[in-house]
Amino acid sequence: KAGVTQTPRYLIKTRGQQVTLSCSPISGHRSVSWYQQTPGQGLQFLFEYFSETQRNKGNFPGRFSGRQFSNSRSEMNVSTLELGDSALYLCASSVDSYGYTFGSGTRLTVV
Amino acid sequence: KQEVTQIPAALSVPEGENLVLNCSFTDSAIYNLQWFRQDPGKGLTSLLLIQSSQREQTSGRLNASLDKSSGRSTLYIAASQPGDSATYLCAVLNAGGTSYGKLTFGQGTILTVHP
Repeated sequence: KAGVTQTPRYLIKTRGQQVTLSCSPISGHRSVSWYQQTPGQGLQFLFEYFSETQRNKGNFPGRFSGRQFSNSRSEMNVSTLELGDSALYLCASSVDSYGYTFGSGTRLTVV
Repeated sequence: KQEVTQIPAALSVPEGENLVLNCSFTDSAIYNLQWFRQDPGKGLTSLLLIQSSQREQTSGRLNASLDKSSGRSTLYIAASQPGDSATYLCAVLNAGGTSYGKLTFGQGTILTVHP
């Protein structure tokens, strides 16, 4: 079966711009979580959606937002980009907390 | 607040050795624990998932154990191969509604297996 698909794979943006990342979960998975990975902070939880509802949120500023559609696909948006937002953004899907499958990630570079 | 620690931070071994990676967590009220590997610049690949009621899981040359009461898990890799070279990450999912979707990760162990 198809895995978790993240698009695009790479992005280069300028400070102050906004960006939208997309995640298509495994068919039948209703939970989608997002993580930011940086060399200094490791993997940090951004938020989780289940059936179009945000159930949990990490400690990130309001510039980071997300949503989930009725087909379980999810998007995350970062507004007013800062240099420190450069990272690998990973999404993961799950049936409901029973093991997570990750996508290949989107590498965001802010210049 | 859950904290996950992995030891060692890096490990270099010759091919064929058996090795153990360690993971400890501070809050024993977990729902499950998952081991992942990550190749440079790539996403995470799930290796083993252990539910809180289980003591161990095995897949091929990999065996993971869980001692929830002491807050420890180990990943045992038998007969290591150069293709095992990667970063290994331990992640726990806490029990309870406030933990939906939130895996807490360790910093990882960078494994290098040389021929």
